[in-house]
Amino acid sequence: EPEVTQTPSHQVTQMGQEVILRCVPISNHLYFYWYRQILGQKVEFLVSFYNNEISEKSEIFDDQFSVERPDGSNFTLKIRSTKLEDSAMYFCASTSQAGFYEQYFGPGTRLTVT
Amino acid sequence: AQKITQTQPGMFVQEKEAVTLDCTYDTSDPSYGLFWYKQPSSGEMIFLIYQGSYDQQNATEGRYSLNFQKARKSANLVISASQLGDSAMYFCAMRAPTGANSKLTFGKGITLSVRP
Repeated sequence: EPEVTQTPSHQVTQMGQEVILRCVPISNHLYFYWYRQILGQKVEFLVSFYNNEISEKSEIFDDQFSVERPDGSNFTLKIRSTKLEDSAMYFCASTSQAGFYEQYFGPGTRLTVT
Repeated sequence: AQKITQTQPGMFVQEKEAVTLDCTYDTSDPSYGLFWYKQPSSGEMIFLIYQGSYDQQNATEGRYSLNFQKARKSANLVISASQLGDSAMYFCAMRAPTGANSKLTFGKGITLSVRP
């Protein structure tokens, strides 16, 4: 069964450093998302991406964040200058169609900022 | 704006019994979808069940069913014949069309513990 993959599974970085979280969505999917979950809290939407551009972004997704689909398979989230409060689990998701279709989630990348 | 409310504290259920996890929602959009996801301790998000706002019947998926009461804006998840592997965090979520591809809005989740 096809699945969304994410690398790395765990990333430790120092405050102020740049990190890139990588995702490979399911191959025929067209809509991509990033969510984050601070430990013990709810899952929060960051950004959605379609047709090589951002469709929607949340208040969390400020100028420190960017997304890119550098090739036909990868979908990346970059945090330019990490802060302690960026420590969270970051989930990538994808879906084949807009509307009410299931979003398939990757296993997540746990980001720890020290 | 969409809002999902999950207010139950940690839930406990005896193995093989049924359990209901509550979810209420709020949206001004007449067309929306409701989802339940399971998050075990390993952290991944597992899709369980989906209910569309215009669906006439309650959704069912194996041991999972969704008790959808549109007038009350509730979408409770019922797990029948609980198993030890059902111990996890459960999230209710909603999608309402806000653009070409709409995001999921999650509730804060409910922890379910299944006792042997």
